[in-house]
Amino acid sequence: AQSVAQPEDQVNVAEGNPLTVKCTYSVSGNPYLFWYVQYPNRGLQFLLKYITGDNLVKGSYGFEAEFNKSQTSFHLKKPSALVSDSALYFCAVRDRRDTNAGKSTFGDGTTLTVKP
Amino acid sequence: DAEITQSPRHKITETGRQVTLACHQTWNHNNMFWYRQDLGHGLRLIHYSYGVQDTNKGEVSDGYSVSRSNTEDLPLTLESAASSQTSVYFCASSEGGQGTDTQYFGPGTRLTVL
Repeated sequence: AQSVAQPEDQVNVAEGNPLTVKCTYSVSGNPYLFWYVQYPNRGLQFLLKYITGDNLVKGSYGFEAEFNKSQTSFHLKKPSALVSDSALYFCAVRDRRDTNAGKSTFGDGTTLTVKP
Repeated sequence: DAEITQSPRHKITETGRQVTLACHQTWNHNNMFWYRQDLGHGLRLIHYSYGVQDTNKGEVSDGYSVSRSNTEDLPLTLESAASSQTSVYFCASSEGGQGTDTQYFGPGTRLTVL
């Protein structure tokens, strides 16, 4: 079985400050890891993913995430937050052994609020 | 541009009625998924399909059914709507064939069961 934990329901940061949204995962094998963002009344949008190789993954809108196998974490980061980054963020995991690109397991989401 | 659409965007129905939510994608993706989103539960998988005539149950499939008669569509049917099925429903698709591909989500359908 696979699972994802996003330990913080809410993260508040000031505009211009760095932000971190935390994610830890559990899979039987090795993971594929994803971050999605959801703006109000919209569907989820893909931000970035870790497949293999460099542990630091860069994605859309200046976001990046670091894969840490020993800590089973995949935290989302951005060096300088914008008010427009305020949204709901989801981490997702898929077991590499699921070769048909099937089900991902999503975390419960973290609401990011960036204040001016 | 390719897209994934859902209809209706909002639906109010009564307990016991049959309801069908539509999902249509023009990506020509093999995989399609239905999720429900509830506060405190994130996204939970209802049903998914890896191709035409293929359907599979997710973690919360009771009371729901799907059918896949073509590549583009995966309608979700609530056989007898219950108040517990009040939720926001999202359809998603992915190319399929690899574990690495990204899911593309529709805009969602907000369903209220009275």
